[in-house]
Amino acid sequence: NAGVMQNPRHLVRRRGQEARLRCSPMKGHSHVYWYRQLPEEGLKFMVYLQKENIIDESGMPKERFSAEFPKEGPSILRIQQVVRGDSAAYFCASSPQGSIYGYTFGSGTRLTVV
Amino acid sequence: TQLLEQSPQFLSIQEGENLTVYCNSSSVFSSLQWYRQEPGEGPVLLVTVVTGGEVKKLKRLTFQFGDARKDSSLHITAAQPGDTGLYLCAGPQGGSEKLVFGKGMKLTVNP
Repeated sequence: NAGVMQNPRHLVRRRGQEARLRCSPMKGHSHVYWYRQLPEEGLKFMVYLQKENIIDESGMPKERFSAEFPKEGPSILRIQQVVRGDSAAYFCASSPQGSIYGYTFGSGTRLTVV
Repeated sequence: TQLLEQSPQFLSIQEGENLTVYCNSSSVFSSLQWYRQEPGEGPVLLVTVVTGGEVKKLKRLTFQFGDARKDSSLHITAAQPGDTGLYLCAGPQGGSEKLVFGKGMKLTVNP
């Protein structure tokens, strides 16, 4: 029974390139969340999705960032035209019934923009 | 925005010592969760507390939810090097599905 799978674990992009981060939730989990972690800021909410629907994207920057969770396949967090400030650890989490009882997190994707 | 303040932010102790981590807010939470995160990995859920005054034990870890559901504590008895990590508290942000996290307490247990 695999947990939340994220890939790649490490991603290096040059400024201006696109970054695509993938997340497969735990089997049976229909709620997917993306968080960003910076050393001095802690974990910050980005977006909450269910299959084919964005439920809450209040933590997403207005430009360059997008997320999807298609009917088939993993959830994707896409960052266009990356800048150095996008360098961070990006974590995906899933839950079977919302946040009240907690999430299962993946191991994260560490994005470095050079 | 509801905030969770954790204290202390850093703690370095010797194996066998006891410690308590605090998680405080001025807001009421429907539940609070504790996670432990090791370097290079994602947070791992330790416990969820839901009822005011609730106490839960997980081996040497004791978690308590305040009566007013605004604060929580984590007590570790006889700490071991394997307890080293970042301890995070989190709670659902009022009426929404997103969790708000404290900045964490970085624990180092020296052998």
